[in-house]
Amino acid sequence: DAGVTQSPTHLIKTRGQHVTLRCSPISGHKSVSWYQQVLGQGPQFIFQYYEKEERGRGNFPDRFSARQFPNYSSELNVNALLLGDSALYLCASSFRLGAVSSYEQYFGPGTRLTVT
Amino acid sequence: AQSVAQPEDQVNVAEGNPLTVKCTYSVSGNPYLFWYVQYPNRGLQFLLKYITGDNLVKGSYGFEAEFNKSQTSFHLKKPSALVSDSALYFCAVRPHNSGGYQKVTFGTGTKLQVIP
Repeated sequence: DAGVTQSPTHLIKTRGQHVTLRCSPISGHKSVSWYQQVLGQGPQFIFQYYEKEERGRGNFPDRFSARQFPNYSSELNVNALLLGDSALYLCASSFRLGAVSSYEQYFGPGTRLTVT
Repeated sequence: AQSVAQPEDQVNVAEGNPLTVKCTYSVSGNPYLFWYVQYPNRGLQFLLKYITGDNLVKGSYGFEAEFNKSQTSFHLKKPSALVSDSALYFCAVRPHNSGGYQKVTFGTGTKLQVIP
C-alpha cells in the first residue's frame, strides 16, 4: 500500500505570496493532520481534519488554513508568506472508526518551503 | 498545556552498546506516548507507543520504551545499537481525553549517533 504522499517536494516563494500544499493520506485513513517543522525543532501541530471538518487547531495565525476533500486528501494554504514560514511541512494520517482510533500517525515525506 | 522535554540534543553510543534516549512529559490526566524516528530529508516514522497496560512497550527495529508514571518519563532504549540507528528521535505526547483527536505535542528531538 502507498504511504502518505505530499506535493510538491520543494517550493520556493517570495514574501507576501500565497502557497498551497497537498497531501494524500493512506488509503482508508480518514484523519489528516498538518505540522510545521522548523530546522532544529520538533514538529508543531497546525491542524487536524476528520471527515472534512476541522477538529483541532494549533497556535498558528489565520494566514494558515486547510481543508479536507471527500476523498480525505487535504490542502494546507498559507497566505501573505513571511520569512519565518520557511520550514518542512508534514502531513500525517491516521484511521478512526467510531470510537476507536489508531493512535499513531503516519507521516509523509514533507514539503520543504523556502520563503525569500 | 502539555509538553515534552528531551534533555539531550545528541547522544553518542558505540555500535553494539545499549542506548537510551530520554524523554519526560507533562500532560493533564493520563498520557498517550509515542516515539518517532526521522532520517535525513524524510518524514517521521512511527516506532512505538504507550497507550495503557504494561509499562514496557516494544516497537520496531528492536526498540523498546519504559513508561514511568511517577517520574513522568518515557525513555527509549535498545540493547545493542546499530550504525543504521543513527537518526533524529522524537518523543510525543497526547492526552487521553482529547476525544480521539490528534492534539499531539512533540519534543525538540535527540540526534542519535552510533559510532562504528
